[in-house]
Amino acid sequence: EPEVTQTPSHQVTQMGQEVILRCVPISNHLYFYWYRQILGQKVEFLVSFYNNEISEKSEIFDDQFSVERPDGSNFTLKIRSTKLEDSAMYFCASSGRTGGTDTQYFGPGTRLTVL
Amino acid sequence: GDSVTQMEGPVTLSEEAFLTINCTYTATGYPSLFWYVQYPGEGLQLLLKATKADDKGSNKGFEATYRKETTSFHLEKGSVQVSDSAVYFCAVTQGGSEKLVFGKGTKLTVNP
Repeated sequence: EPEVTQTPSHQVTQMGQEVILRCVPISNHLYFYWYRQILGQKVEFLVSFYNNEISEKSEIFDDQFSVERPDGSNFTLKIRSTKLEDSAMYFCASSGRTGGTDTQYFGPGTRLTVL
Repeated sequence: GDSVTQMEGPVTLSEEAFLTINCTYTATGYPSLFWYVQYPGEGLQLLLKATKADDKGSNKGFEATYRKETTSFHLEKGSVQVSDSAVYFCAVTQGGSEKLVFGKGTKLTVNP
């Protein structure tokens, strides 16, 4: 069964450093998402991406964040200058279509630790 | 904005016990409702969903009915197994928006 994959599973970085989290969505999906979960808190939406542009973003997704689909398979989340409060589990998801009714399939997550 | 309120955990049950995890939501329009499950060390997996009022989603013995009048989507299972131990998340999307809004999650532990 196709699945979303994410690398690395755990990333440790120093405050102020740039990190890139990588995702490979399901191959025929067109809509891509990033969510995060700070330890003990809710899973929060960050951004959605379709047709090579951001279609929706939350207030969390400020200028420090960016997303890219550099080739036909990868979908990345970049944090330019990490802060302590960026420490969280980051989940990538993809779906075949939008409209709110389609299933978003999630990857296993990348645990980001900012020291 | 949209929000989801889930029963606080953790929940601990014995095998074969009946499970209910309550979920209520606030949303305008006609949201779609989802339950996701996260097994230890894994990502979020869709458990079931319902896209319109009175729909019942079901999977692996779990059920939830979209109740528009009470804005609820409670998860139930008649007889839980040890393998059901996981964190369960209720979530909602609204037509026109792609984002899933999640509840806090409820950790379920089932003992033999």
